[in-house]
Amino acid sequence: DQQVKQNSPSLSVQEGRISILNCDYTNSMFDYFLWYKKYPAEGPTFLISISSIKDKNEDGRFTVFLNKSAKHLSLHIVPSQPGDSAVYFCAASAINSGYALNFGKGTSLLVTP
Amino acid sequence: KAGVTQTPRYLIKTRGQQVTLSCSPISGHRSVSWYQQTPGQGLQFLFEYFSETQRNKGNFPGRFSGRQFSNSRSEMNVSTLELGDSALYLCASSLEAALTQYFGPGTRLLVL
Repeated sequence: DQQVKQNSPSLSVQEGRISILNCDYTNSMFDYFLWYKKYPAEGPTFLISISSIKDKNEDGRFTVFLNKSAKHLSLHIVPSQPGDSAVYFCAASAINSGYALNFGKGTSLLVTP
Repeated sequence: KAGVTQTPRYLIKTRGQQVTLSCSPISGHRSVSWYQQTPGQGLQFLFEYFSETQRNKGNFPGRFSGRQFSNSRSEMNVSTLELGDSALYLCASSLEAALTQYFGPGTRLLVL
């Protein structure tokens, strides 16, 4: 069963605008969440993470928001740049499963000039 | 610091054969995890090794196995290959706490 879901397979945003990528999870034991960016034929690149004790974490243009009651997290990219075009994966882990990462299926982001 | 390296990058095998993939973690990282990525199933956790011991295992058949050496390098083995084993195999390393995992470029395995 898919415990982490990214319901939008693709997203197109204009350069300079905000990109918002969403992720939902079902396992209430998840306590650590990560976003990875992936280009074809490469491994995922770590972007940003958030612990369940926080509701927001920022790193430059990237901000992750966590809503535990809704079991929802989102990644905001502001401003979006053409180089941000890639597949973005949401991942979640729990201490009781040894922090094995559970991934969503990914959202393909296209930033157009 | 050098990143996670994986060898080989590409591999073609036939059904019934076995294959061994190698992963060198980031220097100082003692935890190594393996994942399989396929178009249908996405990224799925195979297993994790720490200090030469398998600490965690995903839901894969026993044909998938691994090991870790004293220098933290890890190998993954798949025996009796099936067509469905065609995938991108990713290795990730992390510090002891294993919270943030850093991925290598992957090994693309094609089973014919």
